[in-house]
Amino acid sequence: QKEVEQNSGPLSVPEGAIASLNCTYSDRVSQSFFWYRQYSGKSPELIMSIYSNGDKEDGRFTAQLNKASQYVSLLIRDSQPSDSATYLCAGGSNTGNQFYFGTGTSLTVIP
Amino acid sequence: SAVISQKPSRDICQRGTSLTIQCQVDSQVTMMFWYRQQPGQSLTLIATANQGSEATYESGFVIDKFPISRPNLTFSTLTVSNMSPEDSSIYLCSVRDGYNEKLFFGSGTQLSVL
Repeated sequence: QKEVEQNSGPLSVPEGAIASLNCTYSDRVSQSFFWYRQYSGKSPELIMSIYSNGDKEDGRFTAQLNKASQYVSLLIRDSQPSDSATYLCAGGSNTGNQFYFGTGTSLTVIP
Repeated sequence: SAVISQKPSRDICQRGTSLTIQCQVDSQVTMMFWYRQQPGQSLTLIATANQGSEATYESGFVIDKFPISRPNLTFSTLTVSNMSPEDSSIYLCSVRDGYNEKLFFGSGTQLSVL
């Protein structure tokens, strides 16, 4: 099993809808998780971090962590065309040095 | 978060040549990393740049191909040596926020090898 697995999509949602991005992780991943947004031709930009079980909200973004199921998700409410990008899920390794990245989910928000 | 400057932003190189990518951070950081992102792929860690000692390379990456320097806590370079078209990729410098473990990226270097 890969350390971090992500549904690769692509995912299309209409403007104003909720976009749901999902990620699972293995035992090699520690309890720190991150979501990055990457626009085409640009470097990844950190948008959310989550360390504790449950939900963490920041504006239109909500990260959810379920340690029992080894599952982390990102919800984007009121999706905007500017949210169209690839979203990368990442987790820190148990050794603390390395990050494991998922393959990314391409999101398109249709006006 | 740290401001990370990376250059060049892009380059087109001939097969067999080498390119050195520079990464400058506006504050001292303990951990600096070099990643590669091949077209349509996710991020792959090349190595951890250690200040004052040799870099730590991940499986599949060797020092002869990707020599790294880390002369101080704000600067690192990655050289892609004896390039082939398979080295065409985006190369990313990143730093770790020691306080809360967040990882931040430079703007990247888009490398094309002909």
